[in-house]
Amino acid sequence: QVQLQESGPGVVKPSETLSLTCSVSGASISSYFWSWVRQPPGKGLEWIGYIYHTGITDSNPSLNSRVTVLVDTSKNQFSLRLNSVTAADTAIYYCARHRAEGRGAFDIWGRGTMVAVSS
Amino acid sequence: IQLTQSPSSLSASVGDRVTITCRASQDINSYLAWYQQTPGKAPKLLIYPASTSLSGVPSRFSGSGSGTDFTLTISSLQPEDFATYYCQQLSSYPRTFGQGTKVEIK
Repeated sequence: QVQLQESGPGVVKPSETLSLTCSVSGASISSYFWSWVRQPPGKGLEWIGYIYHTGITDSNPSLNSRVTVLVDTSKNQFSLRLNSVTAADTAIYYCARHRAEGRGAFDIWGRGTMVAVSS
Repeated sequence: IQLTQSPSSLSASVGDRVTITCRASQDINSYLAWYQQTPGKAPKLLIYPASTSLSGVPSRFSGSGSGTDFTLTISSLQPEDFATYYCQQLSSYPRTFGQGTKVEIK
């Protein structure tokens, strides 16, 4: 059974860097693409960025180049860094697996972790 | 690519037939997914591509459409179906979602 678990600080100060890790169990991180998605309280879903084990990565231009997505194959984990955060970055952050078939819909999700940007 | 869902919310009764639409700002072929999200939970993939339900998804859920206009239909609403539904396009990056449709109990 494939499981994803997000971890990281629940509070980040404005202008600092948000750092989260997604630990993958039940599947090899080298076999799939992986994404981060966020959801501000009471609002909709926003795709943040993806990574492949080779290091291929892309992120949402709406985040103005503040995003870095990294992979650690030795730990079967991938991570998110979002710098220069503001209150607008307060959200539940999810990690998700891209389905192997087709264009990679997100078939497995973590439970999500709430991150608040606050001084 | 912008996705516009309608309605934003609806009230329905158990047993009702419910239809949610998703319109893309440009042709996305059949590269559209539907997700269900219940309060406090992560989204769950229901349908991808536009008209193919995933294994284990109840048969009352169906999807249709191609190009720019898509539909998610729940043929007979069940208590566990009260949730928010999102469409997502997988035609190009950045991946985008519709704003969501909340299905509430009448």
